[in-house]
Amino acid sequence: QKEVEQDPGPLSVPEGAIVSLNCTYSNSAFQYFMWYRQYSRKGPELLMYTYSSGNKEDGRFTAQVDKSSKYISLFIRDSQPSDSATYLCAMSVFSTLTFGKGTMLLVSP
Amino acid sequence: NAGVTQTPKFQVLKTGQSMTLQCAQDMNHNSMYWYRQDPGMGLRLIYYSASEGTTDKGEVPNGYNVSRLNKREFSLRLESAAPSQTSVYFCASRAVTGGDGSQETQYFGPGTRLLVL
Repeated sequence: QKEVEQDPGPLSVPEGAIVSLNCTYSNSAFQYFMWYRQYSRKGPELLMYTYSSGNKEDGRFTAQVDKSSKYISLFIRDSQPSDSATYLCAMSVFSTLTFGKGTMLLVSP
Repeated sequence: NAGVTQTPKFQVLKTGQSMTLQCAQDMNHNSMYWYRQDPGMGLRLIYYSASEGTTDKGEVPNGYNVSRLNKREFSLRLESAAPSQTSVYFCASRAVTGGDGSQETQYFGPGTRLLVL
């Protein structure tokens, strides 16, 4: 079993939809949880960062962490075509990150 | 600030050839990383350098060597390229912020696309 599991998609939604992206993990030592966004042929960029259970909101994005279930989520409200990208969850303990495989999201106008 | 830069952007090698991928960051970060990204496999850590003068193996180090030349530069070398090393290679550097060092961000370069025939 990989340490971090993420459905690769693709996930196709119409513009304006609420999107839910999820990851599960097995290593209870993970302390910090991140979501990176990667546009085609670009490097990943940090989107959201949390280090405890609960919710964190930033504009249209909400990151949710449930350490008891080893489950993290990213919600995107009012999705836009510009949100079309691959979303990677990442988790860290000490100084290295373990990434999920990424979920490709396609938002159609 | 250029952030993290990588050269070359694209390279074609024949099996058995060697090459060095270059990475530099201008953000004064201590830690730097090399990843490879393959379809269906996600990003996997090859090597990292927590600080100048130190390097450590990641998840998939076989077939690679690294050099942390100075604080800015971290290179990845393929001594004898194999078709299994066809991939997109990303370099990253790490910033730790927050009063208690509780937030970290990795900044990624644009990637090097490598094709080994």
